Amino acid sequence: GAVVSQHPSRVICKSGTSVKIECRSLDFQATTMFWYRQFPKQSLMLMATSNEGSKATYEQGVEKDKFLINHASLTLSTLTVTSAHPEDSSFYICSARVPGTGTSGTQYFGPGTRLTVL
Amino acid sequence: KNEVEQSPQNLTAQEGEFITINCSYSVGISALHWLQQHPGGGIVSLFMLSSGKKKHGRLIATINIQEKHSSLHITASHPRDSAVYICAVGGYSGGGADGLTFGKGTHLIIQP
Repeated sequence: GAVVSQHPSRVICKSGTSVKIECRSLDFQATTMFWYRQFPKQSLMLMATSNEGSKATYEQGVEKDKFLINHASLTLSTLTVTSAHPEDSSFYICSARVPGTGTSGTQYFGPGTRLTVL
Repeated sequence: KNEVEQSPQNLTAQEGEFITINCSYSVGISALHWLQQHPGGGIVSLFMLSSGKKKHGRLIATINIQEKHSSLHITASHPRDSAVYICAVGGYSGGGADGLTFGKGTHLIIQP
């Protein structure tokens, strides 16, 4: 099946620093990628929809200036957590939607990035 | 906003037992996903279905669009099936977000 990679898998940083997380679709071109966040013992929550070549669409309550998303190519989307704080510590997961499968089409998930902000 | 409810939240069973996990949602959708999340956090997509039934190996997923309900079944369960199983819905009728709305997951433990 299709593979989506994320890098890094784990990151620990100091409060106030910025962290970039990469999401790559390895064997298909993804015009749409999604970024999700999962706090401990909670369900995944959609943060934003990343569309290649255009601005990301953010869910209500997600600060677009804090979580910068760039989808500059058909295989790469990046999420930058700017000025990270301990409350941003979470498990961040991306997914890539297979083109041509519709708005609720097949999504392949990355392995996730565990962010810990000290 | 779609509300996704899963049951049970936790399930412990013996190896070989037939497992059923249920998912119900509140708003009409165009597709429902069943996902598997292992302790390390990585997520694997098991099924995407919009009607009827799908089978893959020992896993079977069914959906009833009218009743807004889906079930995931595991036959001849094995300890390696231990994971969190997550139901997610998307493509709401009448438009809406592209991304998925997730249930809280069912934590399954299969004991040898």
